[in-house]
Amino acid sequence: AQKVTQAQTEISVVEKEDVTLDCVYETRDTTYYLFWYKQPPSGELVFLIRRNSFDEQNEISGRYSWNFQKSTSSFNFTITASQVVDSAVYFCALSEANQGAQKLVFGQGTRLTINP
Amino acid sequence: DGGITQSPKYLFRKEGQNVTLSCEQNLNHDAMYWYRQDPGQGLRLIYYSQIVNDFQKGDIAEGYSVSREKKESFPLTVTSAQKNPTAFYLCASSIGGNLYNEQFFGPGTRLTVL
Repeated sequence: AQKVTQAQTEISVVEKEDVTLDCVYETRDTTYYLFWYKQPPSGELVFLIRRNSFDEQNEISGRYSWNFQKSTSSFNFTITASQVVDSAVYFCALSEANQGAQKLVFGQGTRLTINP
Repeated sequence: DGGITQSPKYLFRKEGQNVTLSCEQNLNHDAMYWYRQDPGQGLRLIYYSQIVNDFQKGDIAEGYSVSREKKESFPLTVTSAQKNPTAFYLCASSIGGNLYNEQFFGPGTRLTVL
């Protein structure tokens, strides 16, 4: 069965520190997609990034970077020079095919608090 | 602005009552989804629909029902059969059901059973 594990329930750091959010997944599929979403206090999930199983290149977008390693089934997310506005719950998700439709399997989420 | 709207934002219900949560999208997306989020947990899929007049059960469909009579609307009814309905409910949509499609989420409805 598909599974996503975010072992870090809560992380708290001081502003400007770097922080890495871990994501480990399990799947038997050879083709799959991984996603990261941000859930600010308002509640709405915001899409951050998508990565397919054939592309192991690291991705950088401003202060955000993602490290995808198939060998360890991990898709970790790093925020460099964190800011208070980064405080949110972050979800990692795995996309699986289900009767011709997409199904997202979510991890439990990591609550990140950036203290000023 | 294109997006997903959910109403109401907060909803209170007495035990034994059915209640319907609204979800509307103007993104012209074919696929729509309902998730439930409990404190400290990830999102769990309740129902999803790939096309009008068609929907499938997700992982926790018991005690819930949906309809998809229009492309832009996917209301969720929480019935009295749902044992523990207090939760945060999120609606999402995607352009299609392909693996790579990102899902766009609404602001959610927080349901509390009194």
